[in-house]
Amino acid sequence: GNSVTQMEGPVTLSEEAFLTINCTYTATGYPSLFWYVQYPGEGLQLLLKATKADDKGSNKGFEATYRKETTSFHLEKGSVQVSDSAVYFCALSNPQGAQKLVFGQGTRLTINP
Amino acid sequence: NAGVTQTPKFRVLKTGQSMTLLCAQDMNHEYMYWYRQDPGMGLRLIHYSVGEGTTAKGEVPDGYNVSRLKKQNFLLGLESAAPSQTSVYFCASSHKPAGTRTFEQYFGPGTRLTVT
Repeated sequence: GNSVTQMEGPVTLSEEAFLTINCTYTATGYPSLFWYVQYPGEGLQLLLKATKADDKGSNKGFEATYRKETTSFHLEKGSVQVSDSAVYFCALSNPQGAQKLVFGQGTRLTINP
Repeated sequence: NAGVTQTPKFRVLKTGQSMTLLCAQDMNHEYMYWYRQDPGMGLRLIHYSVGEGTTAKGEVPDGYNVSRLKKQNFLLGLESAAPSQTSVYFCASSHKPAGTRTFEQYFGPGTRLTVT
């Protein structure tokens, strides 16, 4: 079945540091890949997505590239801010049917000033 | 637009009690979903619906029932609550615009349920 594995957290960085959160997946066919973010006390929000191999999703300075050869979708940001502190979830869905999401376990990110 | 709303925000139940969680969306979305979020496990799909009057089981459906009598509402029921159902419950909705390969799920703020 489909599954997503994320880098273990929590991750603590200083402001302006470079961020990478690793995500690898197992899936049949050609899934779409997503990064969702959850700020404290809130629901999940879509951060970025990619629907086919070599696509790059980007938003708010975050980027992730769909790598089919390594089955990965790592999240990166060149210079993090305190406001980026949140829990980040990698997820996949198959494009047919109800597009159910399969999530990774989440990575808690804390940015210190 | 309010987006996706959930009622209640918090609830404490005793083992064996029943309750219903309400999810409402004002975006005219066809698809609706219920997830539970547990520490270290991400979100897992409980039940989902692809349209009014239809429901289907997700990854962890045992102990839950759902109904979608109106397009804008998706109800999650616990008939006899157990401590293992202590969790944060999220509802989501989505639709697939014509000509696109995938679509975005919009999430509600969550309901924190504790079963003692």
